[in-house]
Amino acid sequence: GAGVSQSPRYKVAKRGQDVALRCDPISGHVSLFWYQQALGQGPEFLTYFQNEAQLDKSGLPSDRFFAERPEGSVSTLKIQRTQQEDSAVYLCASSFGLAGDEQYFGPGTRLTVT
Amino acid sequence: DQQVKQNSPSLSVQEGRISILNCDYTNSMFDYFLWYKKYPAEGPTFLISISSIKDKNEDGRFTVFLNKSAKHLSLHIVPSQPGDSAVYFCAASAFRLLDRDDKIIFGKGTRLHILP
Repeated sequence: GAGVSQSPRYKVAKRGQDVALRCDPISGHVSLFWYQQALGQGPEFLTYFQNEAQLDKSGLPSDRFFAERPEGSVSTLKIQRTQQEDSAVYLCASSFGLAGDEQYFGPGTRLTVT
Repeated sequence: DQQVKQNSPSLSVQEGRISILNCDYTNSMFDYFLWYKKYPAEGPTFLISISSIKDKNEDGRFTVFLNKSAKHLSLHIVPSQPGDSAVYFCAASAFRLLDRDDKIIFGKGTRLHILP
């Protein structure tokens, strides 16, 4: 379909490994968001892009987390030297206009760090 | 410090009856509120929203009520159907009409079970 897609859907990483999570937003959507959802919690904001510009990265928990959207479409969230506390579902969302518009979420990537 | 609180982790309602999900917020700058629904292994999907200039918004079986003085909103689903069983997230943002650049803050969610 034409929704937000994320890959991989599941990722198991050994502690210390680097991972890269991909998000394909809905075509034409200006805004793209990354959220982290721990078990039993709501999605927590990580970072926000407007086209290729990263306007807000205040939610990234440490400098091990890095996100990019070089051409204003596909985005990658990279986590370096993964730790067990990074285990969570990582959700990507996109919206047509600016932040605050209705966001369409992807299915998420479940990351398990062992 | 949680800015959006959903104090009921779960709620069970008989099919056909009204489901009422509650949400409280602490940040008086919030002016736009949303409800999202989430099924297992799927991302949240937008359900309904309300701007702070209104106190009620209705869309089919779903109605959201906003009480700004109490910093409280609620989602009413009537009549409740089996397909409504899901986790419901309340969310809020400081959505400034001319400067719409603020992020959405989510609550922890309420799991709704519709009983046959």
